[in-house]
Amino acid sequence: KNEVEQSPQNLTAQEGEFITINCSYSVGISALHWLQQHPGGGIVSLFMLSSGKKKHGRLIATINIQEKHSSLHITASHPRDSAVYICAALSDSNYQLIWGAGTKLIIKP
Amino acid sequence: ETGVTQTPRHLVMGMTNKKSLKCEQHLGHNAMYWYKQSAKKPLELMFVYSLEERVENNSVPSRFSPECPNSSHLFLHLHTLQPEDSALYLCASSQDAVVPGQGTQYFGPGTRLTVL
Repeated sequence: KNEVEQSPQNLTAQEGEFITINCSYSVGISALHWLQQHPGGGIVSLFMLSSGKKKHGRLIATINIQEKHSSLHITASHPRDSAVYICAALSDSNYQLIWGAGTKLIIKP
Repeated sequence: ETGVTQTPRHLVMGMTNKKSLKCEQHLGHNAMYWYKQSAKKPLELMFVYSLEERVENNSVPSRFSPECPNSSHLFLHLHTLQPEDSALYLCASSQDAVVPGQGTQYFGPGTRLTVL
């Protein structure tokens, strides 16, 4: 079992739907990253958070430290949001980034 | 030129070739990373350089050899690779206060490597 688990692995939705991607981790962390990878490989860092909630445009990331769980939400989804979304947890014991396997999101027009 | 750049974007090489991947960051960051992304696998951290010194080497085979001549440039020298080394190689940089990985990482576009 991976120390960082994402769900779902694949998600297909219609344009306009509210999207939630989940990330659970089993280690102590000092921060959690959410990243977006588009077809072709380019990776963009979306959020880094250690508590609470962050918002940027239509993207919202939340983290619950007690439950060891984080979510990435997309409001009013659009086909250009189609990408792989990856969470990565920074271990507070060895300061290594532990990567989730990613969630492939497809938004249909 | 801004952000993190990588060259070449695509590389095809034979198992006996020697080649190098180049990464350059224009963000004034103090840490740089090499990652390997194979199909349907999580990103694998290969090397971390902080303040131009290697601080992490996750048991990467010696056929991969990193070089960090200054805080803006990072190379990955490749020799005698195997077909299973075919993957997307990503470079990233961050500005870290104390330990690598604490800062937001900015990624380059990657080099798609195919080993024949």
